[in-house]
Amino acid sequence: AQRVTQPEKLLSVFKGAPVELKCNYSYSGSPELFWYVQYSRQRLQLLLRHISRESIKGFTADLNKGETSFHLKKPFAQEEDSAMYYCALKYGSSNTGKLIFGQGTTLQVKP
Amino acid sequence: GAGVSQSPSNKVTEKGKDVELRCDPISGHTALYWYRQSLGQGLEFLIYFQGNSAPDKSGLPSDRFSAERTGGSVSTLTIQRTQQEDSAVYLCASSGHMTGELFFGEGSRLTVL
Repeated sequence: AQRVTQPEKLLSVFKGAPVELKCNYSYSGSPELFWYVQYSRQRLQLLLRHISRESIKGFTADLNKGETSFHLKKPFAQEEDSAMYYCALKYGSSNTGKLIFGQGTTLQVKP
Repeated sequence: GAGVSQSPSNKVTEKGKDVELRCDPISGHTALYWYRQSLGQGLEFLIYFQGNSAPDKSGLPSDRFSAERTGGSVSTLTIQRTQQEDSAVYLCASSGHMTGELFFGEGSRLTVL
């Protein structure tokens, strides 16, 4: 069955430290992976997607099909990065595929 | 409106009562999702509508939960005979064709006493 796993419920780091939020997925087909973020008192919103190979707010994520992972990384965390982060997997047809989410990781960046 | 709109934003009800939660997606978006967000459970998929296709109801936790999408636009999630474990934030999201990006509403917080 398709599944997204985020093993850490809470990740606490100091400002300026590197950050890696882990995400593993289970899917036998060709996946589309996303990271969504929810800042305090804001709506859940897209942060980045693997097919774009982009860096957003200093964050990057590389799809590793061998390890079935899509970890989110940032070399130097900022206080404004504190938020809830969800990894998501889209599967099925690229036009009509369903999106499922992991359990989420709360990132806390301390001053 | 420009974004996904959900109502009510907060709902407190007594155990055993029925509740209806409404979602107005972004105009023109063909896909509409309902998720449940609760502590420790993350973002739980409930149901997915795509165009005129039959909805994917595989995430509905019990037959007390149902959802409709009328005219390919507004959706209503109905929970019958609410239980305390139904307390959560119910999120609606819509997506345009082929983009994959979901646009979320602010959610409806349901509290069952």
